[in-house]
Amino acid sequence: DVKVTQSSRYLVKRTGEKVFLECVQDMDHENMFWYRQDPGLGLRLIYFSYDVKMKEKGDIPEGYSVSREKKERFSLILESASTNQTSMYLCASSSPGQGTFSYNEQFFGPGTRLTVL
Amino acid sequence: DQQVKQNSPSLSVQEGRISILNCDYTNSMFDYFLWYKKYPAEGPTFLISISSIKDKNEDGRFTVFLNKSAKHLSLHIVPSQPGDSAVYFCAASVASNTGKLIFGQGTTLQVKP
Repeated sequence: DVKVTQSSRYLVKRTGEKVFLECVQDMDHENMFWYRQDPGLGLRLIYFSYDVKMKEKGDIPEGYSVSREKKERFSLILESASTNQTSMYLCASSSPGQGTFSYNEQFFGPGTRLTVL
Repeated sequence: DQQVKQNSPSLSVQEGRISILNCDYTNSMFDYFLWYKKYPAEGPTFLISISSIKDKNEDGRFTVFLNKSAKHLSLHIVPSQPGDSAVYFCAASVASNTGKLIFGQGTTLQVKP
């Protein structure tokens, strides 16, 4: 049974704190992703990684950084948390596609509800 | 620039009837489309997908239709059940090994008993 786990389900932090969100997958997937979900905005990609130590910016990378030192672990870092980073954070992983007209689905973790006060 | 749009934030249907969720896209390079379902306090789960070389894919009560000329896809759920009440996200992909997806805003479906 495939599994993506996230370190916390709920997190409350203060403005200015450094926040670490951890994600671990047990499927040996090359690709890993961090999204945030906000009402009316859907899932927005923050960062993704297609290999160890490789990372690329998504659509909303400002205020975030990531780390991928091992294949199974992808960390999202909020360098200095702000109230507008209060959100649901979702991690996902997938294996590479097989080319055009094919796709390997992303598997998601349960999410971390982060509140920044 | 929203490349994948779900223009209906919510939909309410009666149990046993058909639910139709819609999705529009702007990028003609998208070659694969997926629907995900999300319950509160859970991560999204994959529901059904379709390649751009097809116009229909069916899996039990769920059917996805793709109209490439209109850049439109829809998810049909027949018959709808109360357990289908969730947020549904449409997503699209351009062929690459990164697996990057572009998601729509989501539609909240409520199926009334």
